[in-house]
Amino acid sequence: GAVVSQHPSWVICKSGTSVKIECRSLDFQATTMFWYRQFPKQSLMLMATSNEGSKATYEQGVEKDKFLINHASLTLSTLTVTSAHPEDSSFYICSARDLAGVADTQYFGPGTRLTVL
Amino acid sequence: QKEVEQNSGPLSVPEGAIASLNCTYSDRGSQSFFWYRQYSGKSPELIMFIYSNGDKEDGRFTAQLNKASQYVSLLIRDSQPSDSATYLCAVNRDGNKLVFGAGTILRVKS
Repeated sequence: GAVVSQHPSWVICKSGTSVKIECRSLDFQATTMFWYRQFPKQSLMLMATSNEGSKATYEQGVEKDKFLINHASLTLSTLTVTSAHPEDSSFYICSARDLAGVADTQYFGPGTRLTVL
Repeated sequence: QKEVEQNSGPLSVPEGAIASLNCTYSDRGSQSFFWYRQYSGKSPELIMFIYSNGDKEDGRFTAQLNKASQYVSLLIRDSQPSDSATYLCAVNRDGNKLVFGAGTILRVKS
């Protein structure tokens, strides 16, 4: 149980284009999902908290107009990187919190590696 | 002071030994504590969570929590080369977000 998927697993795009990343909880419902970014040899950086049916809460320093988050259902959240630039190249990882779980456990998706040329 | 601190390592142990990973946190109001394992190029994988003082065992893994001293540790018995990874300590601070430590690199030598 507690499986989270992400799609795509990797993407290469040209500078200036937008990229959408999907995060799905496959066998549980998640009113809250989280989006992280991780640069090489660094720890996870929380970008935003995605709440089903409401606006996402962004961490300080994260541009909400650049990283659009939509959480349309209890099993799906999407992150759109708009007008991507090479500095946005990173490993993007989502996690989902199991409503029925214990101790607010978060389960992570496999991640999406974004490369912007 | 960082909210969650871990020794970056690397911590090197021989195969079959006990690996001891430590983590301290600053917020006394923290309620639940998690250990994740992350292999290079992969996303974190939950190993254990603990929210009561004392020990919690799951197979070769034992999590220990001491809220008075604000530390949480992870023991890995009979360490295997496949345990070589970065171990992330995470603390649930406000009932919603997790705060992660920078991680400890563990290397198990065969």
